[in-house]
Amino acid sequence: AQSVTQLDSQVPVFEEAPVELRCNYSSSVSVYLFWYVQYPNQGLQLLLKYLSGSTLVKGINGFEAEFNKSQTSFHLRKPSVHISDTAEYFCAVSERGYQKVTFGTGTKLQVIP
Amino acid sequence: SAVISQKPSRDICQRGTSLTIQCQVDSQVTMMFWYRQQPGQSLTLIATANQGSEATYESGFVIDKFPISRPNLTFSTLTVSNMSPEDSSIYLCSVEDGTRGYTFGSGTRLTVV
Repeated sequence: AQSVTQLDSQVPVFEEAPVELRCNYSSSVSVYLFWYVQYPNQGLQLLLKYLSGSTLVKGINGFEAEFNKSQTSFHLRKPSVHISDTAEYFCAVSERGYQKVTFGTGTKLQVIP
Repeated sequence: SAVISQKPSRDICQRGTSLTIQCQVDSQVTMMFWYRQQPGQSLTLIATANQGSEATYESGFVIDKFPISRPNLTFSTLTVSNMSPEDSSIYLCSVEDGTRGYTFGSGTRLTVV
């Protein structure tokens, strides 16, 4: 069965500083990986996804993530955060051949002015 | 990607009553997914709804409590039956957009009093 672990429930970071949100997954088969963002009182928006190919995936709003198969990780990074990046970020995994998506517990990113 | 219209956006309901949530998609999709997001927690898949067949429920969720209809390829409803305060959550529908990206509705924020 697939599972996702987001190690940090909250990450405070100063504006214009870099940030990394960590995500590890567990699965016995090949997977697809996703990062979603949820702004306060809104639905989820897809930031980026890894399906195959290059392990470095670029998404919207300047975010990128790197798939590391040996470490079963898919960490999200941004070189310089803005106040508007304050939101909750969810890592998710889906096993190839299946539609079910499993979400991590989320990481709240708080950007400090 | 698909655009989902979800209604109502929020509601306050009396315990013991039922609420039906609607999701309308602007394109035909094979599968629709219903999630629950309890306060401060991640998303949990309730069920997967295929058009023309009964929904498939995840462990811990039953049809009597969360009946789902899927009358056509663009519409689905989720009913939360015989509500209790523990059902207070955000309920979201989702579809797969054909490229392994999942689009979410804006959610229904339910408060049971």
